[in-house]
Amino acid sequence: QVQLQESGPGLVKPSQTLSLTCTVSGGSISRGNFYWSWIRQPAGKGLEWIGRIYISGSTNFNPSLKSRLSMFMDTSKNQFSLKLTSVTAADTAVYYCARINTRSGSRFDYWGHGTLVTVSA
Amino acid sequence: DIQMTQSPSSLSASVGDRVTITCRASQSITSYLNWYQQKPGKAPSLLIYGASSLQSGVPSRFSGSGSGADFTLTISSLQPEDFAAYYCQQSFNTPYTFGQGTKLE
Repeated sequence: QVQLQESGPGLVKPSQTLSLTCTVSGGSISRGNFYWSWIRQPAGKGLEWIGRIYISGSTNFNPSLKSRLSMFMDTSKNQFSLKLTSVTAADTAVYYCARINTRSGSRFDYWGHGTLVTVSA
Repeated sequence: DIQMTQSPSSLSASVGDRVTITCRASQSITSYLNWYQQKPGKAPSLLIYGASSLQSGVPSRFSGSGSGADFTLTISSLQPEDFAAYYCQQSFNTPYTFGQGTKLE
């Protein structure tokens, strides 16, 4: 059973960089047919896709965040990471990591529990 | 970006009811439509993918239909554990986008 777990600071100051890591267990992130993704959800609001990364290092980002966003993979640790620069209060949200299964269409089939990140001085 | 619009935004129902939630895309997405359930304080979980394929382990009372731009999620007989929020999501292209959600109360 694939499991994902987010980790990182729960509080980030405005203008600083938000860094999160997702650790995957129960399956290798190096396998084909899967992208690895981040989604966020402000309190009481809907879901916003942030971006995805593939084992090749190829990335796709939400245009609304692209200028501030980077993603990385560490296959030796079976982890992938997110960095979002110049954060503001609007970046306060629960951040989820998820696996995208691309067999027979793409869908988020496994999710982490989520981690709350608050942007505040 | 493809806009996804769900209706209704909230729905009051009772155990045993048949419930239908609709999702409309701003353009054709063929069958690249997924449905998720989210309970308070929890991550979303996949119910339906490819518009009509039931995710493994999901009860058969859940079903999905539609193609092109119009889709529906149906719960044939509502159970107590089904009271939650439901989201549609298009995977036709990036950026992936979600509907605003339907809260089942």
